[in-house]
Amino acid sequence: EAQVTQNPRYLITVTGKKLTVTCSQNMNHEYMSWYRQDPGLGLRQIYYSMNVEVTDKGDVPEGYKVSRKEKRNFPLILESPSPNQTSLYFCASSPNPGIRGYEQYFGPGTRLTVT
Amino acid sequence: KQEVTQIPAALSVPEGENLVLNCSFTDSAIYNLQWFRQDPGKGLTSLLLIQSSQREQTSGRLNASLDKSSGRSTLYIAASQPGDSATYLCAAPNSGGSNYKLTFGKGTLLTVNP
Repeated sequence: EAQVTQNPRYLITVTGKKLTVTCSQNMNHEYMSWYRQDPGLGLRQIYYSMNVEVTDKGDVPEGYKVSRKEKRNFPLILESPSPNQTSLYFCASSPNPGIRGYEQYFGPGTRLTVT
Repeated sequence: KQEVTQIPAALSVPEGENLVLNCSFTDSAIYNLQWFRQDPGKGLTSLLLIQSSQREQTSGRLNASLDKSSGRSTLYIAASQPGDSATYLCAAPNSGGSNYKLTFGKGTLLTVNP
């Protein structure tokens, strides 16, 4: 089954404790992206990757890191989480969207709480 | 910078009604626009990707249109059903037209009452 998986699905942590949210897709997609969703602010893009070893900032990259060492995986790293990073996080993938665009496939989400 | 607005924020209709969801965007230099559905506690599901060259795209009871000149897209849902209840989001490429960076609207929460 074609899918995007995220782990963990739920996470409660404390300020400053480094954490990684994993994202994996089995569709051989070049493009992957991370979003956060907050009430009243909607869905905002954090980082995206056009292919292995190629990443770039979205609209809200501060406080986050990413890496793309394998095509299927795109982990999101919070080196020193803070309470304002409490949010619902989504990973997505698609074939290289370029100008034409392709439908994006979303993971089920990771609900992160930082206390 | 691309800005995407969806009106109304919430909509409640009786089952069987036809309805229209609206999406407007500020930067019309786009080649396509996407519509998504989000169920409570779940991820987004792509509904339709409409190219600017198409003007309209249909999938079952759903029909999306795109008018770049006016900066608007609409999602038409025919013969609505309770199972259509969800939040509907549209997303447009950021300025420059590339789909690497997308801007999402805040969504329309649709409730279809039996």
